[in-house]
Amino acid sequence: DAGVTQSPTHLIKTRGQQVTLRCSPKSGHDTVSWYQQALGQGPQFIFQYYEEEERQRGNFPDRFSGHQFPNYSSELNVNALLLGDSALYLCASSLDWDRVKGSSPLHFGNGTRLTVT
Amino acid sequence: GQSLEQPSEVTAVEGAIVQINCTYQTSGFYGLSWYQQHDGGAPTFLSYNGLDGLEETGRFSSFLSRSKGYSYLLLKELQMKDSASYFCAVRVLYNFNKFYFGSGTKLNVKP
Repeated sequence: DAGVTQSPTHLIKTRGQQVTLRCSPKSGHDTVSWYQQALGQGPQFIFQYYEEEERQRGNFPDRFSGHQFPNYSSELNVNALLLGDSALYLCASSLDWDRVKGSSPLHFGNGTRLTVT
Repeated sequence: GQSLEQPSEVTAVEGAIVQINCTYQTSGFYGLSWYQQHDGGAPTFLSYNGLDGLEETGRFSSFLSRSKGYSYLLLKELQMKDSASYFCAVRVLYNFNKFYFGSGTKLNVKP
């Protein structure tokens, strides 16, 4: 049973460029969330996708956008990269909350380490 | 807003018991979870407290007191492989689709 997979594992970009990160959720999961984790900090929620739509968004600018495909996989796009966007980007999949009683834990991928120079 | 406070670092000896605390200020939440993250790795789910009290899973236990705004993760019979960062996280009532994570506690297990 494959877990959450993310690609690429590492990426180096220059300020002003655009980047696309990819995520395949754990088998059976239909909800994908993206988190940004700065060094020494906890993950910060970017947004969540369910049924191919952005369902909820954190405090991130519009430069951060995403997409979910019919097979539940997802992409995170960041435009006009800033130095401050350098971080570990984590994808987490789960079962839709509405159908699950109690906790549906997040299953994280190993992340994409983005460095902006 | 949400605030989850954790000590930044804890050191303990192999074989010992260690407690990692999480204090929070939030208007209400569904439950509190704990995640473990090794350096360079993905956060992995450890435990969940939906109700007040103690939950036990093997060597790990987690406790929640909503009235006191307090949770802790207890690790028994520490092993070197337990050296990692530990995060508490809540899913709030009015914003149920996202988790708020604490800043994490780095646990160093020494021989």
